[in-house]
Amino acid sequence: QKEVEQNSGPLSVPEGAIASLNCTYSDRGSQSFFWYRQYSGKSPELIMFIYSNGDKEDGRFTAQLNKASQYVSLLIRDSQPSDSATYLCAVNGLTGGGNKLTFGTGTQLKVEL
Amino acid sequence: DTEVTQTPKHLVMGMTNKKSLKCEQHMGHRAMYWYKQKAKKPPELMFVYSYEKLSINESVPSRFSPECPNSSLLNLHLHALQPEDSALYLCASSQDGGEAFFGQGTRLTVV
Repeated sequence: QKEVEQNSGPLSVPEGAIASLNCTYSDRGSQSFFWYRQYSGKSPELIMFIYSNGDKEDGRFTAQLNKASQYVSLLIRDSQPSDSATYLCAVNGLTGGGNKLTFGTGTQLKVEL
Repeated sequence: DTEVTQTPKHLVMGMTNKKSLKCEQHMGHRAMYWYKQKAKKPPELMFVYSYEKLSINESVPSRFSPECPNSSLLNLHLHALQPEDSALYLCASSQDGGEAFFGQGTRLTVV
């Protein structure tokens, strides 16, 4: 079982729709959870982080965490063509003093006009 | 300021060369990371330094040698690399368990 799993996609949504990206993780002791956006040829850019169960909203982005189900998701409202990118879920485990940041395989999102 | 600076941006090296990648941050972060990323793959953790001490080595071959001279700097020394080591090398920093910020990366080509 991979430590962090995501559906690789591509996930295609029309402009203006809600994009829903999902991630599961295996380390039940994981403490912190992150979503990164990566455009082709560029480095990952942090867009959301969440540490507690529930929802966290920032502009058009909402991160959701359910530690009991070991599940974290990202919702993007009013999707724009500029949101087309690969979205990487990352999880910080207990190894290395809480600094082992492990990435999922990423989900490619395509927002179509 | 959430900037992590990596140099050089691009590097071409022969299999017998020795080169170094450099990373710098001034956010006061105490954890610094090296990742390797191949095309269409996620970043793969190589090394983690925590409070200037190596805390994680993900079984990386010895031709990659990390160094943390101080809390702001992280180097990756390269020697006798193979063509399959060609990749984007990413540096990141964070506070303990907190948000990690990435540099722009060094695109390495081994010929």
